[in-house]
Amino acid sequence: GNSVTQMEGPVTLSEEAFLTINCTYTATGYPSLFWYVQYPGEGLQLLLKATKADDKGSNKGFEATYRKETTSFHLEKGSVQVSDSAVYFCALSRNSGNTPLVFGKGTRLSVIA
Amino acid sequence: GAVVSQHPSRVICKSGTSVKIECRSLDFQATTMFWYRQFPKQSLMLMATSNEGSKATYEQGVEKDKFLINHASLTLSTLTVTSAHPEDSSFYICSANPTLSGGGGGYTFGSGTRLTVV
Repeated sequence: GNSVTQMEGPVTLSEEAFLTINCTYTATGYPSLFWYVQYPGEGLQLLLKATKADDKGSNKGFEATYRKETTSFHLEKGSVQVSDSAVYFCALSRNSGNTPLVFGKGTRLSVIA
Repeated sequence: GAVVSQHPSRVICKSGTSVKIECRSLDFQATTMFWYRQFPKQSLMLMATSNEGSKATYEQGVEKDKFLINHASLTLSTLTVTSAHPEDSSFYICSANPTLSGGGGGYTFGSGTRLTVV
């Protein structure tokens, strides 16, 4: 079946540090891949996505590249800010339209000044 | 962009009562709505998939008689937690995919409902 594995947190970084959150997936066919962010007490917001191999999603300084050969979609940011503190979820969809997203367990990021 | 409006954002209820959570698609038609549950510091667990005009599909282990889902129109899906107990306390989130009705941007989520049963 389809599944997503992401590194477990919590991750604590100092401001301006480099961030990597690993995400690998198992899926049949060619899924779309997503990163969502959840701020405390809120719902999920789409951070970025990629729909095919070698695509790079980017938003707000975050990037992730769809690597089919390693079945990975690692999230990176060159310089984190305190405001980036949140929980990050990697997810995939099977592109069949009416199927739900499959989520990883989430990684809590805390950035300290 | 496509928006899903979820209400209420927070609700506290007494054990044994029922609580209804609404999710509305504001600028697109949601033929399918997904309902998730999230325990503290954990990931989202898919509870059920609701389809307009037909019965919802529940995931294994989810009690359909306890979590009643109604998707009577193309813009409204509701989740009713019946005879709530403290163990039902959780964060409930709905989601839809506007691309199914020609929209873009991928899946969109409601802002969530924090249910506390006392």
